[in-house]
Amino acid sequence: GQNIDQPTEMTATEGAIVQINCTYQTSGFNGLFWYQQHAGEAPTFLSYNVLDGLEEKGRFSSFLSRSKGYSYLLLKELQMKDSASYLCAVIWARDDKIIFGKGTRLHILP
Amino acid sequence: DAGVIQSPRHEVTEMGQEVTLRCKPISGHDYLFWYRQTMMRGLELLIYFNNNVPIDDSGMPEDRFSAKMPNASFSTLKIQPSEPRDSAVYFCASSFGGAGTQYFGPGTRLLVL
Repeated sequence: GQNIDQPTEMTATEGAIVQINCTYQTSGFNGLFWYQQHAGEAPTFLSYNVLDGLEEKGRFSSFLSRSKGYSYLLLKELQMKDSASYLCAVIWARDDKIIFGKGTRLHILP
Repeated sequence: DAGVIQSPRHEVTEMGQEVTLRCKPISGHDYLFWYRQTMMRGLELLIYFNNNVPIDDSGMPEDRFSAKMPNASFSTLKIQPSEPRDSAVYFCASSFGGAGTQYFGPGTRLLVL
């Protein structure tokens, strides 16, 4: 199968740092995306990783380890508007298809 | 620039009725995707097109679902007959050059009574 696992929910405090993990089956892996989805809205693209390492984009960073089938999204200096679901998605080389995880609902407390 | 456009935004219908969802991708994009999102199952890919040709419809639940893309600027997802378990948010997304960075439409919230 093409299982993608991420925690269902997380809670963090405004101004803090939070790390959202994602694991996936490594066979046929061709890239990993993170999307943000606010309640009642469409997913929006955050980041794309295809090589090992850390990609930084402002307050958000995404890390990938291909050999371990592991990624994380790091959010710094949390703001209330960061309350959303964060979807990990993997693209598979065999059929160029993207499969989404079920998402992690992040709650930010003041 | 207009993003992906979907219509209707909300649809309430009775079991057994036909439902047609519409999507206009971003101009110039050559990939179009239809997804369904529910609390239980998350975001599921139903079907995707490349240059108006259906490439993979393995996610389409059953024969009640069909999708077409008659030209580069329009696609439909049809459910006939609809059932209560089809209630979900249906997203259309488009991308250029592959199933990479996808741009999602606002979604159609479907409720089948």
